[in-house]
Amino acid sequence: GAGVSQTPSNKVTEKGKYVELRCDPISGHTALYWYRQSLGQGPEFLIYFQGTGAADDSGLPNDRFFAVRPEGSVSTLKIQRTERGDSAVYLCASSVAGEGQETQYFGPGTRLLVL
Amino acid sequence: GNSVTQMEGPVTLSEEAFLTINCTYTATGYPSLFWYVQYPGEGLQLLLKATKADDKGSNKGFEATYRKETTSFHLEKGSVQVSDSAVYFCALSESWGKLQFGAGTQVVVTP
Repeated sequence: GAGVSQTPSNKVTEKGKYVELRCDPISGHTALYWYRQSLGQGPEFLIYFQGTGAADDSGLPNDRFFAVRPEGSVSTLKIQRTERGDSAVYLCASSVAGEGQETQYFGPGTRLLVL
Repeated sequence: GNSVTQMEGPVTLSEEAFLTINCTYTATGYPSLFWYVQYPGEGLQLLLKATKADDKGSNKGFEATYRKETTSFHLEKGSVQVSDSAVYFCALSESWGKLQFGAGTQVVVTP
């Protein structure tokens, strides 16, 4: 079946611009996660959705970052006034119900480069 | 807070050698432990997991045992292949699914 998909695969933008990154989870998965992976590092948690609501957004670095999941399926990560330090690979994952022992299925990521 | 520490890479091995990647963790509760792998040009995928103390996860010839007494989850494979060349990430999660990852260990297997 279809896995987690993310679009675009690559995004180049200029400092100060607004970007949107999209994640389409596995059908039927109620839990959706966003992570950010900088070069040479492990992924860092950003935000977790259970259904339509953000159950934990403690990983968002500042108020320039925002994410939505209005219908409990597709999610969009929005970054305002991008900075060069936002350059990273943004990963989306989904799991069946959001319980700790579950497997998370990751998408291929969106590579964001802020010039 | 919780954290995961894994050995730095790159780890370079010859084919058929024994591989160990050390992983230790700190956690306030009783986390589930995972090894994820990222093959060149591919996304992160689960390699194996263990959800409670003394559980052994295994997959594709890899094994790791959840050791609560030493707070460790070391990854081992008895005979590596060139196709095992990848970056390996140790991770934990507590009562719900937020994953905390180590920094990753690159493994290079030469013929």
